[in-house]
Amino acid sequence: AQKVTQAQTEISVVEKEDVTLDCVYETRDTTYYLFWYKQPPSGELVFLIRRNSFDEQNEISGRYSWNFQKSTSSFNFTITASQVVDSAVYFCALSEGLRSGNTPLVFGKGTRLSVIA
Amino acid sequence: DGGITQSPKYLFRKEGQNVTLSCEQNLNHDAMYWYRQDPGQGLRLIYYSQIVNDFQKGDIAEGYSVSREKKESFPLTVTSAQKNPTAFYLCASSIGTGHTQYFGPGTRLTVL
Repeated sequence: AQKVTQAQTEISVVEKEDVTLDCVYETRDTTYYLFWYKQPPSGELVFLIRRNSFDEQNEISGRYSWNFQKSTSSFNFTITASQVVDSAVYFCALSEGLRSGNTPLVFGKGTRLSVIA
Repeated sequence: DGGITQSPKYLFRKEGQNVTLSCEQNLNHDAMYWYRQDPGQGLRLIYYSQIVNDFQKGDIAEGYSVSREKKESFPLTVTSAQKNPTAFYLCASSIGTGHTQYFGPGTRLTVL
């Protein structure tokens, strides 16, 4: 069975600090997909990134970066020089691949990030 | 503009009533989903549909029903059998299961 764990329930940082959100996943499939979503106070989930299990290259997009490590089953998300607008709940999610029937996403419980000015 | 719309934004229901939440997408996506989110919690899957006229139960389908008569539409009915329906409901769609899901703005349901 697939499972996503976000151990950090809430994090508070001061503006301009770097912050890393942890995500650990469990799956028995060799093909799977990992996602990060942002949920601002308005409630709508905003897609940030999708990675497949065969691509362990880390990715940087502006102030955002993602560190995917299959050896530790982790897909961590770092925000550099945080800003107040980054305050939101962040969700990590997992979908198993074709052998498992292309399952819908399973979400972690989310990490609430508060960036204080 | 392409996207997903949900209506209404806020919905109030009396106990014992059935209510239907609307979800429409114009992204030409095959798969659609309904999730429930409770305060401080993650998203839990209620139902999903991979193709018109077909749908599968998610983790918490009891007390809910859906239909998928058109590719663009996936309405969710919250029945009186759902004992604790007060929550935030999110609809999503994707090209197929396993692909990126795009979400609507959500409907906040409150039982009076």
